Amino acid sequence: GAGVSQTPSNKVTEKGKYVELRCDPISGHTALYWYRQSLGQGPEFLIYFQGTGAADDSGLPNDRFFAVRPEGSVSTLKIQRTERGDSAVYLCASSTGGFYNEQFFGPGTRLTVL
Amino acid sequence: AQKVTQAQTEISVVEKEDVTLDCVYETRDTTYYLFWYKQPPSGELVFLIRRNSFDEQNEISGRYSWNFQKSTSSFNFTITASQVVDSAVYFCALILTGGGNKLTFGTGTQLKVEL
Repeated sequence: GAGVSQTPSNKVTEKGKYVELRCDPISGHTALYWYRQSLGQGPEFLIYFQGTGAADDSGLPNDRFFAVRPEGSVSTLKIQRTERGDSAVYLCASSTGGFYNEQFFGPGTRLTVL
Repeated sequence: AQKVTQAQTEISVVEKEDVTLDCVYETRDTTYYLFWYKQPPSGELVFLIRRNSFDEQNEISGRYSWNFQKSTSSFNFTITASQVVDSAVYFCALILTGGGNKLTFGTGTQLKVEL
């Protein structure tokens, strides 16, 4: 079956612009996660959805970052007033829920802020 | 707060050598799960194994084996008879049963297997 998909695969933007990153989870997965991976680092947790609600957004670095999952499937990560430090690969993962379940990762969106 | 340390930044081996990737974790929780993920050059993280804190049995899957030792807070990963296709970045990760569903990753070990 289809895995987690993310669009776009690459996004180049200018400092100060607004960007949206999209994640399409595996069908039927109730849990969805966003992580951010900087060069040479492991992924860092941003936010976790169970269904439509954000169950844990403790990893969002500041109020420029926001994510939604209005129908409990596709999620969009939104970044306002982008900064050069936001440049990273943004990874999305989904699972069947439950902390112990394997998280299936998408290929990521590489965001470059010039 | 929990932490995962992978002290080996990069390891280079010749094909057919055995190699062990180290993982040390820190947590005050008594119940947790540990994971290993592989990130090949394509970038997509691939799940390898999950182990809960109550199960210290070692596990073997083909050329892969894992050694979980709670006494030293370590969860090491060994590849036997390495192959070029094993070249990737390997991440160890931790999830707490009472800490939400977020994975805490180490910084990864880049494994290069050469002919």
